[in-house]
Amino acid sequence: QLVLTQSPSASASLGASVNLTCTLNSGHTRYAIAWHQQQPDRGPRYLMKLNNDGSHTKGDGIPDRFSGSSSGADRYLTISSLQSEDEADYYCQTWDTGILVFGRGTKLTVV
Amino acid sequence: EVHLVESGGGLVKPGQSLTLSCVASGFTFSTYGMNWVRQAPGKGLEWVASISISSTYIYYADSVQGRFTVSRDNANNSLFLQMNSLRAEDTAFYYCARDLRADGYWGQGTLVTVSS
Repeated sequence: QLVLTQSPSASASLGASVNLTCTLNSGHTRYAIAWHQQQPDRGPRYLMKLNNDGSHTKGDGIPDRFSGSSSGADRYLTISSLQSEDEADYYCQTWDTGILVFGRGTKLTVV
Repeated sequence: EVHLVESGGGLVKPGQSLTLSCVASGFTFSTYGMNWVRQAPGKGLEWVASISISSTYIYYADSVQGRFTVSRDNANNSLFLQMNSLRAEDTAFYYCARDLRADGYWGQGTLVTVSS
């Protein structure tokens, strides 16, 4: 069974950087994932596809402040120079034949 | 510019049916797999169904298998979700999404409320 694990919450200061983590379960540690952002009361926004080797391809119009990296089963989303509009829920998502799987999301608070 | 616009949501009673539509623009619809994803109020994202470019491959989440049917009309850049035997637990925002394995894009969603 394909499972993604995310911390429920994170916080960071305005102007700082933050790393959000998404962990793939055993047997699926080489899978690529995607990151999505959901600002309050809005639909999700595709941020990027992140591969096992850390290479990533961002979606249309995603600022350079957003980047991704990988280490083993962990997939990271790094947001630098945090802005107030970065306060949102962040979901990781992966796939296998016939299914898409989402993590439970991390709520990022910018203080 | 890519646009995905969902419609068809509303309030229905348990056991009733509803069909959602998603109209795509700004890209070549017939070259992308499409998905429906839902989000219950205050909850996370849940994959519902996927359909390949020519409708050859269609997949459903266990929670909707046998009740929901996904289809597409490439000539009219449209994606559909027919929902039968609706339950209270199907209450959610339903999002149309383009290929979430790469080069993804989301619509803004349509709300389905199942309540007596």
